[in-house]
Amino acid sequence: GESVGLHLPTLSVQEGDNSIINCAYSNSASDYFIWYKQESGKGPQFIIDIRSNMDKRQGQRVTVLLNKTVKHLSLQIAATQPGDSAVYFCAERDSGTYKYIFGTGTRLKVLA
Amino acid sequence: DSGVTQTPKHLITATGQRVTLRCSPRSGDLSVYWYQQSLDQGLQFLIQYYNGEERAKGNILERFSAQQFPDLHSELNLSSLELGDSALYFCASSTLGTSQETQYFGPGTRLLVL
Repeated sequence: GESVGLHLPTLSVQEGDNSIINCAYSNSASDYFIWYKQESGKGPQFIIDIRSNMDKRQGQRVTVLLNKTVKHLSLQIAATQPGDSAVYFCAERDSGTYKYIFGTGTRLKVLA
Repeated sequence: DSGVTQTPKHLITATGQRVTLRCSPRSGDLSVYWYQQSLDQGLQFLIQYYNGEERAKGNILERFSAQQFPDLHSELNLSSLELGDSALYFCASSTLGTSQETQYFGPGTRLLVL
Protein backbone atom coordinates (compact mmCIF):
# COMPACT_ATOMS: atom_id res chain seq x y z
CA GLY A 1 0.00 0.00 0.00
CA GLU A 2 0.91 3.62 -0.15
CA SER A 3 2.75 5.33 2.66
CA VAL A 4 1.21 7.85 4.98
CA GLY A 5 2.81 11.28 5.23
CA LEU A 6 4.94 12.48 2.35
CA HIS A 7 3.50 10.03 -0.17
CA LEU A 8 -0.20 10.46 0.56
CA PRO A 9 -2.48 11.17 -2.39
CA THR A 10 -3.58 14.78 -2.18
CA LEU A 11 -6.85 16.40 -3.13
CA SER A 12 -6.81 20.18 -3.55
CA VAL A 13 -10.12 22.03 -3.63
CA GLN A 14 -11.18 25.64 -3.62
CA GLU A 15 -12.83 26.94 -0.49
CA GLY A 16 -16.58 26.65 -0.88
CA ASP A 17 -16.44 23.80 -3.38
CA ASN A 18 -17.53 20.25 -2.61
CA SER A 19 -14.90 17.60 -1.92
CA ILE A 20 -15.13 13.90 -2.67
CA ILE A 21 -12.65 11.52 -1.10
CA ASN A 22 -12.69 7.91 -2.19
CA CYS A 23 -11.71 4.67 -0.59
CA ALA A 24 -11.64 1.13 -1.95
CA TYR A 25 -11.87 -1.88 0.31
CA SER A 26 -11.40 -5.56 -0.39
CA ASN A 27 -12.90 -7.47 2.52
CA SER A 28 -16.37 -8.83 1.76
CA ALA A 29 -16.82 -9.61 5.46
CA SER A 30 -16.62 -5.95 6.48
CA ASP A 31 -19.92 -4.75 7.88
CA TYR A 32 -19.11 -1.35 9.30
CA PHE A 33 -17.22 1.57 7.84
CA ILE A 34 -15.91 4.77 9.34
CA TRP A 35 -14.35 7.97 8.08
CA TYR A 36 -11.77 9.72 10.24
CA LYS A 37 -10.13 13.11 9.97
CA GLN A 38 -6.61 13.61 11.26
CA GLU A 39 -5.10 17.04 11.62
CA SER A 40 -1.39 17.49 11.93
CA GLY A 41 -0.11 16.50 15.37
CA LYS A 42 -3.47 15.16 16.54
CA GLY A 43 -5.21 11.83 16.83
CA PRO A 44 -7.85 10.70 14.32
CA GLN A 45 -11.26 12.22 14.84
CA PHE A 46 -14.50 10.41 13.96
CA ILE A 47 -16.48 12.07 11.17
CA ILE A 48 -19.20 9.68 10.10
CA ASP A 49 -19.93 5.98 9.91
CA ILE A 50 -22.15 3.65 7.93
CA ARG A 51 -23.31 0.08 8.33
CA SER A 52 -23.20 -2.38 5.47
CA ASN A 53 -27.00 -2.53 5.25
CA MET A 54 -27.07 1.12 4.18
CA ASP A 55 -25.78 2.82 1.06
CA LYS A 56 -25.90 6.43 2.15
CA ARG A 57 -25.72 8.37 5.37
CA GLN A 58 -25.68 12.11 5.90
CA GLY A 59 -24.23 14.21 8.63
CA GLN A 60 -23.59 17.87 9.01
CA ARG A 61 -21.95 18.90 5.72
CA VAL A 62 -20.73 15.34 5.18
CA THR A 63 -22.21 12.38 3.35
CA VAL A 64 -20.86 8.86 3.16
CA LEU A 65 -21.76 6.60 0.25
CA LEU A 66 -21.21 2.87 0.27
CA ASN A 67 -21.23 0.74 -2.86
CA LYS A 68 -20.87 -2.86 -1.77
CA THR A 69 -20.98 -4.18 -5.31
CA VAL A 70 -17.67 -2.58 -6.20
CA LYS A 71 -16.44 -2.30 -2.58
CA HIS A 72 -16.18 1.45 -2.69
CA LEU A 73 -16.68 4.07 -0.02
CA SER A 74 -16.72 7.81 -0.50
CA LEU A 75 -16.86 10.85 1.72
CA GLN A 76 -18.45 14.00 0.39
CA ILE A 77 -17.82 17.29 2.15
CA ALA A 78 -20.09 20.15 1.16
CA ALA A 79 -18.87 23.75 1.01
CA THR A 80 -15.33 22.82 2.00
CA GLN A 81 -13.74 25.16 4.51
CA PRO A 82 -10.09 25.82 5.43
CA GLY A 83 -10.66 23.93 8.69
CA ASP A 84 -11.38 20.81 6.66
CA SER A 85 -7.73 20.61 5.62
CA ALA A 86 -6.45 17.36 7.06
CA VAL A 87 -5.74 13.73 6.24
CA TYR A 88 -8.87 11.62 5.85
CA PHE A 89 -8.88 7.86 6.50
CA CYS A 90 -11.51 5.28 5.82
CA ALA A 91 -11.68 2.22 8.07
CA GLU A 92 -13.56 -1.06 7.81
CA ARG A 93 -14.43 -3.57 10.50
CA ASP A 94 -14.44 -7.29 9.83
CA SER A 95 -17.71 -8.76 11.08
CA GLY A 96 -16.06 -12.04 12.05
CA THR A 97 -12.75 -11.03 13.62
CA TYR A 98 -13.77 -7.51 14.71
CA LYS A 99 -10.47 -6.26 13.32
CA TYR A 100 -10.28 -2.73 11.97
CA ILE A 101 -8.42 -2.08 8.73
CA PHE A 102 -7.51 1.46 7.79
CA GLY A 103 -6.99 2.93 4.36
CA THR A 104 -3.79 4.76 3.60
CA GLY A 105 -5.38 8.17 3.78
CA THR A 106 -5.93 11.15 1.50
CA ARG A 107 -4.63 14.62 2.25
CA LEU A 108 -7.23 17.32 1.63
CA LYS A 109 -5.91 20.82 0.95
CA VAL A 110 -8.37 23.66 0.89
CA LEU A 111 -7.26 26.60 -1.21
CA ALA A 112 -8.43 30.06 -0.20
CA ASP B 1 -10.26 17.27 23.46
CA SER B 2 -11.62 13.72 23.10
CA GLY B 3 -11.47 12.88 26.80
CA VAL B 4 -8.94 10.09 26.18
CA THR B 5 -5.56 10.71 27.80
CA GLN B 6 -2.26 9.11 26.94
CA THR B 7 1.10 9.29 28.66
CA PRO B 8 3.84 9.98 27.98
CA LYS B 9 3.48 12.35 25.05
CA HIS B 10 6.97 11.62 23.78
CA LEU B 11 9.34 8.76 24.49
CA ILE B 12 12.90 8.31 23.31
CA THR B 13 14.65 5.04 24.01
CA ALA B 14 17.25 2.68 22.62
CA THR B 15 16.99 -0.57 20.70
CA GLY B 16 16.49 -3.60 22.90
CA GLN B 17 14.73 -1.64 25.62
CA ARG B 18 11.20 -2.01 26.96
CA VAL B 19 8.62 0.76 27.37
CA THR B 20 5.09 1.05 28.70
CA LEU B 21 2.50 3.37 27.20
CA ARG B 22 -0.51 4.32 29.25
CA CYS B 23 -4.06 5.17 28.25
CA SER B 24 -7.04 6.38 30.24
CA PRO B 25 -10.34 6.05 28.37
CA ARG B 26 -13.16 8.54 28.43
CA SER B 27 -15.24 8.41 31.56
CA GLY B 28 -17.80 5.62 31.18
CA ASP B 29 -16.11 3.91 28.23
CA LEU B 30 -15.47 0.21 28.73
CA SER B 31 -13.55 -0.54 25.56
CA VAL B 32 -10.01 0.49 24.67
CA TYR B 33 -8.22 0.13 21.35
CA TRP B 34 -4.54 0.49 20.52
CA TYR B 35 -3.21 1.62 17.15
CA GLN B 36 0.21 2.17 15.64
CA GLN B 37 0.78 4.87 13.03
CA SER B 38 4.04 4.86 11.14
CA LEU B 39 5.21 6.50 7.95
CA ASP B 40 5.67 3.12 6.29
CA GLN B 41 2.37 1.48 7.09
CA GLY B 42 -0.18 4.11 8.03
CA LEU B 43 -2.62 3.43 10.85
CA GLN B 44 -2.60 -0.18 12.04
CA PHE B 45 -5.03 -1.69 14.52
CA LEU B 46 -3.17 -3.56 17.25
CA ILE B 47 -5.63 -4.80 19.86
CA GLN B 48 -8.96 -4.12 21.57
CA TYR B 49 -10.02 -4.70 25.17
CA TYR B 50 -13.47 -4.62 26.64
CA ASN B 51 -13.94 -4.43 30.39
CA GLY B 52 -10.60 -6.06 31.05
CA GLU B 53 -10.88 -8.82 28.46
CA GLU B 54 -9.19 -9.00 25.07
CA ARG B 55 -11.84 -8.68 22.36
CA ALA B 56 -10.00 -8.38 19.05
CA LYS B 57 -6.44 -8.71 17.92
CA GLY B 58 -4.90 -7.01 14.93
CA ASN B 59 -1.34 -6.76 13.70
CA ILE B 60 0.25 -6.85 17.11
CA LEU B 61 3.74 -8.29 17.32
CA GLU B 62 4.63 -10.95 19.88
CA ARG B 63 7.08 -8.48 21.44
CA PHE B 64 4.11 -6.27 22.25
CA SER B 65 1.49 -6.92 24.88
CA ALA B 66 -1.36 -5.01 26.39
CA GLN B 67 -3.79 -5.20 29.25
CA GLN B 68 -6.77 -3.37 30.62
CA PHE B 69 -7.00 -2.94 34.37
CA PRO B 70 -10.07 -3.01 36.65
CA ASP B 71 -10.17 0.80 36.63
CA LEU B 72 -10.35 0.48 32.81
CA HIS B 73 -7.08 2.19 32.04
CA SER B 74 -4.87 0.29 29.65
CA GLU B 75 -1.18 -0.19 29.12
CA LEU B 76 0.69 -1.20 25.99
CA ASN B 77 4.05 -2.83 26.65
CA LEU B 78 6.64 -2.82 23.90
CA SER B 79 9.76 -4.92 24.46
CA SER B 80 12.99 -5.72 22.63
CA LEU B 81 12.46 -2.50 20.77
CA GLU B 82 13.69 -2.15 17.22
CA LEU B 83 14.26 0.93 15.09
CA GLY B 84 11.13 0.08 13.10
CA ASP B 85 8.97 0.39 16.20
CA SER B 86 9.37 4.15 16.05
CA ALA B 87 5.87 5.43 15.46
CA LEU B 88 2.90 7.22 16.92
CA TYR B 89 0.86 4.99 19.21
CA PHE B 90 -2.76 5.92 19.65
CA CYS B 91 -5.29 4.72 22.13
CA ALA B 92 -9.01 5.06 21.48
CA SER B 93 -12.03 4.27 23.59
CA SER B 94 -15.69 3.58 23.08
CA THR B 95 -18.57 2.84 25.39
CA LEU B 96 -19.30 -0.82 24.70
CA GLY B 97 -16.84 -1.77 21.99
CA THR B 98 -19.49 -2.77 19.51
CA SER B 99 -19.25 -2.11 15.81
CA GLN B 100 -21.78 0.70 15.82
CA GLU B 101 -19.88 2.96 18.16
CA THR B 102 -17.73 5.98 17.70
CA GLN B 103 -14.14 5.51 18.80
CA TYR B 104 -12.56 8.54 20.45
CA PHE B 105 -8.83 8.84 19.96
CA GLY B 106 -6.27 10.17 22.37
CA PRO B 107 -3.48 12.55 21.36
CA GLY B 108 -0.98 9.72 20.94
CA THR B 109 2.46 8.83 22.25
CA ARG B 110 5.33 9.46 19.89
CA LEU B 111 7.97 6.77 20.32
CA LEU B 112 11.44 7.18 18.92
CA VAL B 113 13.79 4.21 19.08
CA LEU B 114 17.44 5.10 18.51
